[in-house]
Amino acid sequence: GENVEQHPSTLSVQEGDSAVIKCTYSDSASNYFPWYKQELGKGPQLIIDIRSNVGEKKDQRIAVTLNKTAKHFSLHITETQPEDSAVYFCAVCDDTGKLIFGQGTTLQVKP
Amino acid sequence: GAGVSQSPSNKVTEKGKDVELRCDPISGHTALYWYRQSLGQGLEFLIYFQGNSAPDKSGLPSDRFSAERTGGSVSTLTIQRTQQEDSAVYLCASSLASGPGELFFGEGSRLTVL
Repeated sequence: GENVEQHPSTLSVQEGDSAVIKCTYSDSASNYFPWYKQELGKGPQLIIDIRSNVGEKKDQRIAVTLNKTAKHFSLHITETQPEDSAVYFCAVCDDTGKLIFGQGTTLQVKP
Repeated sequence: GAGVSQSPSNKVTEKGKDVELRCDPISGHTALYWYRQSLGQGLEFLIYFQGNSAPDKSGLPSDRFSAERTGGSVSTLTIQRTQQEDSAVYLCASSLASGPGELFFGEGSRLTVL
């Protein structure tokens, strides 16, 4: 089955700096790659996603890049703010339509 | 309500007891998922319902776990003879259609097995 690896597990940055989280996956047939943000005590919420027919997608301060050949995709957050502090999960849609999630990255943005 | 509703939000039980966790998905959403999140861990897939198709139970960790979805709407996750390692947050999510698309998560049911 699909295997998703996410790095780093924790990331601490200064406010205003950029943060990058990377995920690798195993099934080359996968074609949908979302990122979710989970705040304390809440369920995860979709922040951005990308499909395999594009290499990059941006939405204000967040962007996702996809390298299908290398089977990895990354989340980029620029000009980080304290409210970006949360746990971020990447996910990959497997061949049955369900999402397989990475282990999560705890991002801390220090003011 | 507008979102996915889960109950109870917190459940404390004794080892060996059975528990039921309920999920009320967003109206009209045909796909429903259960995930488990242990302390500080990622989201572990448990089971996936899609319309009238047979559920994908490939993530259930043992035969003590089962789930059903009645009338294509509300789902119940049942854990029999609970063990301490079952302690976790159980998250339910729904989506509008099968295949790749946004999952809408509830806030989860936190289960503590003493």
